[in-house]
Amino acid sequence: DARVTQTPRHKVTEMGQEVTMRCQPILGHNTVFWYRQTMMQGLELLAYFRNRAPLDDSGMPKDRFSAEMPDATLATLKIQPSEPRDSAVYFCASGLRQETQYFGPGTRLLVL
Amino acid sequence: DQQVKQNSPSLSVQEGRISILNCDYTNSMFDYFLWYKKYPAEGPTFLISISSIKDKNEDGRFTVFLNKSAKHLSLHIVPSQPGDSAVYFCAASGGSTGGGADGLTFGKGTHLIIQP
Repeated sequence: DARVTQTPRHKVTEMGQEVTMRCQPILGHNTVFWYRQTMMQGLELLAYFRNRAPLDDSGMPKDRFSAEMPDATLATLKIQPSEPRDSAVYFCASGLRQETQYFGPGTRLLVL
Repeated sequence: DQQVKQNSPSLSVQEGRISILNCDYTNSMFDYFLWYKKYPAEGPTFLISISSIKDKNEDGRFTVFLNKSAKHLSLHIVPSQPGDSAVYFCAASGGSTGGGADGLTFGKGTHLIIQP
């Protein structure tokens, strides 16, 4: 049963600390997405990669957020320094075709 | 400016009846539409999708209808079952970059409650 995995599932940190979230996409999927869910904004696209190359990161705050795909089995989203307004659930998703994307369980981040 | 709108934050339906969830969009470039279901503390799960070249797609109890002229789509669930109680998100993509899936724009979701 192929699925997207994310670590950690929960993270509590203090303002100013670095946060790194990891995602393992489904094997064979060529596109990996990062989304963020907040009460106010709902689910919003932050960035995505195709064949490990960044395709669009226009939804991501550039000054503190960075996303990378060191290899085909790992995507990372880093926040440095973190701020309380970054508190949200961060979802990774992967896909191969237009018809669907498969989401991971999310990383629930709380920045104090 | 919300490009995908789900105007009903919640909907209550009796078990066995039809559930109809609605979604409106404003961006004419959208050419693919998807519905996701989400339980608490889990990621969204894909339900059903439709391309803009079609006006209906059916999969078991789930049917999605697309009205391009009205920029409106709806998800019909019949018959509704208790396990259908969840938050349902409408999503859209467009201006395909080609070669794979594209980023989605989501509505804020509708919480569907199926009453026994």
